[in-house]
Amino acid sequence: SYVLTQPPSVSVAPGKTARITCEGNNIGRKSVHWYQQKPGQAPVLVVYDDSDRPSGIPERFSGSNSGNTATLTISRVEAGDEADYYCQVWDSSSDHWVFGGGTKLTVL
Amino acid sequence: EVQLVESGGGLVQPGGSLRVSCAASGFTFRSYWMSWVRQAPGKGLEWVANIKQDGSETYYVDSVKGRFTISRDNAKNSLYLQMNSLRAEDTAVYYCARAEGGPDHFDYWGQGTRVTVSS
Repeated sequence: SYVLTQPPSVSVAPGKTARITCEGNNIGRKSVHWYQQKPGQAPVLVVYDDSDRPSGIPERFSGSNSGNTATLTISRVEAGDEADYYCQVWDSSSDHWVFGGGTKLTVL
Repeated sequence: EVQLVESGGGLVQPGGSLRVSCAASGFTFRSYWMSWVRQAPGKGLEWVANIKQDGSETYYVDSVKGRFTISRDNAKNSLYLQMNSLRAEDTAVYYCARAEGGPDHFDYWGQGTRVTVSS
């Protein structure tokens, strides 16, 4: 089955840019979606179809996808961005919806 | 406003059964694929099952095939997950989610219902 690999943790200072990667075989050929989950809360979709933002999501959140790596970029990081972030794709070969293992973003 | 409210979680013994439900409102339920996603304590998200708008197609993660059944009642705007032969590794918060796109992603989520499998 298709595997998505994320770094367990990323740390960034307030006001700086955070980049969270998601690796998968030829992931550039798939649509990648990103979710933010704060402690004790349900996940929230922050980027879909590689780089689109749902309404209400700040422009500071952006995404890209090419080759074997997709990236979620958070600009001008704020304390409130501290959360777990998950990438996700649909694997058409198995009709399975796959999540990465998640990345804990820490704002220093 | 889209709302998804899960219910029915609880403590169940290994080998037992449980049905969790999701009440949907704020959108045309019969027009969307719907999904269950779970999260074991301290772990990441795991997709469990999807169901097509009319219930004619269903998909499951391999670990629950033959034990779990996803279903829906469009007249009641409700989604269900019947869980049989439960195992300790099924212990998790179960989220109801609306599927969008192909469907290939989940645009709205409920707050989840906790299922604990333990003797």
